[in-house]
Amino acid sequence: DSGVTQTPKHLITATGQRVTLRCSPRSGDLSVYWYQQSLDQGLQFLIQYYNGEERAKGNILERFSAQQFPDLHSELNLSSLELGDSALYFCASSSRGERGDPLSTDTQYFGPGTRLTVL
Amino acid sequence: DAKTTQPPSMDCAEGRAANLPCNHSTISGNEYVYWYRQIHSQGPQYIIHGLKNNETNEMASLIITEDRKSSTLILPHATLRDTAVYYCIVIFRTAGNKLTFGGGTRVLVKP
Repeated sequence: DSGVTQTPKHLITATGQRVTLRCSPRSGDLSVYWYQQSLDQGLQFLIQYYNGEERAKGNILERFSAQQFPDLHSELNLSSLELGDSALYFCASSSRGERGDPLSTDTQYFGPGTRLTVL
Repeated sequence: DAKTTQPPSMDCAEGRAANLPCNHSTISGNEYVYWYRQIHSQGPQYIIHGLKNNETNEMASLIITEDRKSSTLILPHATLRDTAVYYCIVIFRTAGNKLTFGGGTRVLVKP
């Protein structure tokens, strides 16, 4: 058990709908990362938040958005869903997330994921 | 971040050591080598990481060559539960950096 929790575990919805995925980081971790894993793309980084602020963006679609709340949990919002959005969505957390120290290492720990099925 | 090359698959006998190679010939001095594994659609699980020296923890050992161009993850006594996809990731300044997952090595531990 990594200490990162994600809800719901499974989500089945229809095209055009909107869903929200939730992630609670490990206690004390300030950084949250979201990753998408689809069958043909592998694990892809979407976005990172550090202490409530967006820090890095990957291949995240404009239909997707995220935020990190004052209690440090994060939500990933997916709207206007398409069949191709069906995937596993993982969040990870790490204790820091600052780029200031060039030699710092900060291990990311992953949650169990949310399996999204768009029909 | 430097690119890594791993064999796509390998088999291992239960109870034997599993040696998973990874090539990272373009690694730079401040890049770390990280290993994660993913057991059948579960969240990736952190295994171990290192910079220059060999490392060991309760899960595995990491051997990094002197020139740092390759490394080997060693699972000392593989069990059936070690069947997973193993990812070798090279990352610079991991704090705040995304992980880039390649294809990994699919390890099948056989009884």
